[in-house]
Amino acid sequence: RKEVEQDPGPFNVPEGATVAFNCTYSNSASQSFFWYRQDCRKEPKLLMSVYSSGNEDGRFTAQLNRASQYISLLIRDSKLSDSATYLCVVNKAWDSNYQLIWGAGTKLIIKP
Amino acid sequence: ETGVTQTPRHLVMGMTNKKSLKCEQHLGHNAMYWYKQSAKKPLELMFVYNFKEQTENNSVPSRFSPECPNSSHLFLHLHTLQPEDSALYLCASSHGTSESYEQYFGPGTRLTVT
Repeated sequence: RKEVEQDPGPFNVPEGATVAFNCTYSNSASQSFFWYRQDCRKEPKLLMSVYSSGNEDGRFTAQLNRASQYISLLIRDSKLSDSATYLCVVNKAWDSNYQLIWGAGTKLIIKP
Repeated sequence: ETGVTQTPRHLVMGMTNKKSLKCEQHLGHNAMYWYKQSAKKPLELMFVYNFKEQTENNSVPSRFSPECPNSSHLFLHLHTLQPEDSALYLCASSHGTSESYEQYFGPGTRLTVT
């Protein structure tokens, strides 16, 4: 089983729709979770951290489910500019506190 | 944004060449990282430097040799690479090496080994 697993997509979604995708992780001891966004041929940028209680930032909502070991990202009222690859990142808690494990990403395409 | 810069942006080299990738961060961070990103694969952490000291080497082949002369600069020296080393090499920096610190990435160097 991969340490961090994501559906590669692509998710083709009409503008204005709501889209959600999940990411599963294998290490139950992981404590820190993030969503990064990577535009085509660009570098990754932090979208949001994921907190235990769930958190929201505008149209974006992140949730953590420790029991099932997955995190989710929900995008409401999607915009064309949301088209990107969304990377799930989890810390490798048992080894060193700065070892981040990256998913391969979920590609999202928003269509007009 | 030019917080983290990388040069060159593109590099084509033969298997017998020696080249170096350069990364510079202008954010006052103490930690710097090298990642490898191959197509459709997750980012792979290669090296971590904290306050100029190497703190992580993720079993990277010796044909990749990092150098960190100060907290603002990071190099990756390349020699006798293989075609499978072709990838996007990303440099990142953060305030410290705790996982709670956001990592800021440079634009990357797209490397092709022929």
